[in-house]
Amino acid sequence: GESVGLHLPTLSVQEGDNSIINCAYSNSASDYFIWYKQESGKGPQFIIDIRSNMDKRQGQRVTVLLNKTVKHLSLQIAATQPGDSAVYFCAETSNYGQNFVFGPGTRLSVLP
Amino acid sequence: NAGVMQNPRHLVRRRGQEARLRCSPMKGHSHVYWYRQLPEEGLKFMVYLQKENIIDESGMPKERFSAEFPKEGPSILRIQQVVRGDSAAYFCASSPRSGIKLGELFFGEGSRLTVL
Repeated sequence: GESVGLHLPTLSVQEGDNSIINCAYSNSASDYFIWYKQESGKGPQFIIDIRSNMDKRQGQRVTVLLNKTVKHLSLQIAATQPGDSAVYFCAETSNYGQNFVFGPGTRLSVLP
Repeated sequence: NAGVMQNPRHLVRRRGQEARLRCSPMKGHSHVYWYRQLPEEGLKFMVYLQKENIIDESGMPKERFSAEFPKEGPSILRIQQVVRGDSAAYFCASSPRSGIKLGELFFGEGSRLTVL
């Protein structure tokens, strides 16, 4: 079936650098996307969302980019901090939010 | 305003026993979702419920698994005759409405089931 996947399963960055986490989706009908952060032993935490009628959305230190032409989603974290270390998931839905499909996740490690 | 509450946080069962996982949604939320997460993997959708109704159970295994969300009380995910492959983290999420494009899912901390 259709699925969401990530290009990089792990990512290590130096503290203070910018991080870019990528996500590829295959369901062209997907029209709403969310990035989640999951720290060890905890539940996913909402970071930022974007609708398919947008190609960019910014939050505090985070930016999500959506390229519908190539079905690609990315999360950019500015000035990465140790507290950003976690697993990041993208999720997409095309069913009015009744069923989100999650990618396998990318583990972000922030090096001192 | 308390978040999504799940209990137990950790549950150990022997093969063949039953596991019951409970989820109390955020105050004012009437939509509940259950997801399963295997170690080092993403979350897999299981079931979506509203009060007293199962809306979408396309992710639920056909046997041994059931879910309910009664008019009063928490949502319950029930796994009968557990097997080792059921060992996973089970996450509950809630939302205030269907069509959650205008908001987001709020997740609980998860219930971690270990089957011996």
